[in-house]
Amino acid sequence: TQLLEQSPQFLSIQEGENLTVYCNSSSVFSSLQWYRQEPGEGPVLLVTVVTGGEVKKLKRLTFQFGDARKDSSLHITAAQPGDTGLYLCAGAGYNNNDMRFGAGTRLTVKP
Amino acid sequence: DAGVTQSPTHLIKTRGQQVTLRCSPKSGHDTVSWYQQALGQGPQFIFQYYEEEERQRGNFPDRFSGHQFPNYSSELNVNALLLGDSALYLCASCRTGMNGYTFGSGTRLTVV
Repeated sequence: TQLLEQSPQFLSIQEGENLTVYCNSSSVFSSLQWYRQEPGEGPVLLVTVVTGGEVKKLKRLTFQFGDARKDSSLHITAAQPGDTGLYLCAGAGYNNNDMRFGAGTRLTVKP
Repeated sequence: DAGVTQSPTHLIKTRGQQVTLRCSPKSGHDTVSWYQQALGQGPQFIFQYYEEEERQRGNFPDRFSGHQFPNYSSELNVNALLLGDSALYLCASCRTGMNGYTFGSGTRLTVV
């Protein structure tokens, strides 16, 4: 059983469309991170959110941390083929000694 | 500034053998975590090392062990390999107390 549930599991869209992926848990996290992973590579950190209700923007990507610090969303505006990849969310407990990952959302953006 | 370096990149082992994977953390990082990522899955936490000690451990059997050296580099050892141990093994480093891991590109282990 995954501590963090990500949805959807797979998403295939056309270039220029908008999308939102979700990361949900019954646990409270001290921080939550989003990573993108490409085939044959390790995950690359996109953002860390710490405060409940926090919203962070990274160009066309908008990240939100839920008020209760149990869930998060990632919204991509005007998706591009370069956004293709596996998007992983990861939550840290208060001791930050272990970062637990969801199973990821595999995004494909078609030209 | 070198990131996290893992070696080897690929490895093929026979069931029952033992394997050692190596990781050099990013400069300035003192904490190393190891993850196992099966095909199509998210990374599963194995353990974390800080100050040369295992600080936290995930749900992995004792066949999985590790070590951290004074220069913060780390090794992951797996004994009595099973076919199910085939996966991408990822090393991640951070500076203790800071959020955000830097990952290596991983070691692809295939057990035959």
